Amino acid sequence: NAGVTQTPKFQVLKTGQSMTLQCAQDMNHNSMYWYRQDPGMGLRLIYYSASEGTTDKGEVPNGYNVSRLNKREFSLRLESAAPSQTSVYFCASSLSTGRNTEAFFGQGTRLTVV
Amino acid sequence: GNSVTQMEGPVTLSEEAFLTINCTYTATGYPSLFWYVQYPGEGLQLLLKATKADDKGSNKGFEATYRKETTSFHLEKGSVQVSDSAVYFCALLETGGSYIPTFGRGTSLIVHP
Repeated sequence: NAGVTQTPKFQVLKTGQSMTLQCAQDMNHNSMYWYRQDPGMGLRLIYYSASEGTTDKGEVPNGYNVSRLNKREFSLRLESAAPSQTSVYFCASSLSTGRNTEAFFGQGTRLTVV
Repeated sequence: GNSVTQMEGPVTLSEEAFLTINCTYTATGYPSLFWYVQYPGEGLQLLLKATKADDKGSNKGFEATYRKETTSFHLEKGSVQVSDSAVYFCALLETGGSYIPTFGRGTSLIVHP
């Protein structure tokens, strides 16, 4: 059972470089999310996609773009990386059909911008 | 809007001690409540949940009761083990809309032998 798969697991970027974080889920979930995790800040929502073909901003969208390529895949792009984007990034997905809806998480991407 | 407040960590305990991690929430509607656990180097995974008032969620010796009158969902375990060392996140899910989970800041638990 693969669940939610994120790539890469680790990345170091120089300020101004761009990169795309990849996420794929194999559970046929309709909703997908990108969070960032920073010390003392918990998980903050960057972008989410409630269904294939739709994306919406979360709490901290500045500096990021997303693409919901198909039902399985949801990518996060940093066009011009900044040191403030050093963080651990988590992709998650859920079925979003009722009160029992559980989110499933990938293992995270640890990004350092120097 | 929705928010979740958890007690600050880290919480440091000896093995077999009693654990309580406090969680309170603010929600515009009637949410479902969750506890997730994050072990070192991993993503979050569901620990337990409760979907209506007075429900008790339980798993792996952990328990939490949905208290609507006090807007709380405190996590408890009677006897912690070293393997319980992790970060614990309280979360709410506003249902009927976008189903976006809202997380607390997380509480780190360190259990010493």
